[in-house]
Amino acid sequence: KAGVTQTPRYLIKTRGQQVTLSCSPISGHRSVSWYQQTPGQGLQFLFEYFSETQRNKGNFPGRFSGRQFSNSRSEMNVSTLELGDSALYLCASSSGLAGAETQYFGPGTRLLVL
Amino acid sequence: QKEVEQDPGPLSVPEGAIVSLNCTYSNSAFQYFMWYRQYSRKGPELLMYTYSSGNKEDGRFTAQVDKSSKYISLFIRDSQPSDSATYLCAMFSGAQKLVFGQGTRLTINP
Repeated sequence: KAGVTQTPRYLIKTRGQQVTLSCSPISGHRSVSWYQQTPGQGLQFLFEYFSETQRNKGNFPGRFSGRQFSNSRSEMNVSTLELGDSALYLCASSSGLAGAETQYFGPGTRLLVL
Repeated sequence: QKEVEQDPGPLSVPEGAIVSLNCTYSNSAFQYFMWYRQYSRKGPELLMYTYSSGNKEDGRFTAQVDKSSKYISLFIRDSQPSDSATYLCAMFSGAQKLVFGQGTRLTINP
């Protein structure tokens, strides 16, 4: 079974721009969660989507948004980029059907904001 | 205060040593506990997943949970250079929202 894939793997943007990241979950998985990883704050939960609906949300500003498509693929968008948004963005997938499940992570998209 | 505290290290030990990695947490609602391993420039991969207090063993790895003390540990026996990575503890209460520790960077020296 193919793992979680994320595109692009690397991205360089400038302040004020917006960016869209993509995540394809493991086949059959309907839940996709997004995390931000930085050296200072570690891994922080952004949001989770299940069956095209946002089911959980972390404490990030509204500039961070996401969506999920009917095939479970998910996109994350960050508008009006700030220097502090430079990070590794990880997505994780699970079946989403049970309350507590193993999440499988993709390799991440490394975003650098200049 | 962070919900999950983990010593970021770095931790450096000789090959063959027993490694002990630890996390403490403050939220008593956490019921599920995981350890992930993350190599440089890769996503985290799941090592151990536990629910109840006690020990769980998988090969050279043992996960220990003490809910009364809000303390979890990961032990690595006969450590190998290939174990060099960042180890992250993670936990959640049931919603698909993992809360991670800061991660401990571990180096096993040949």
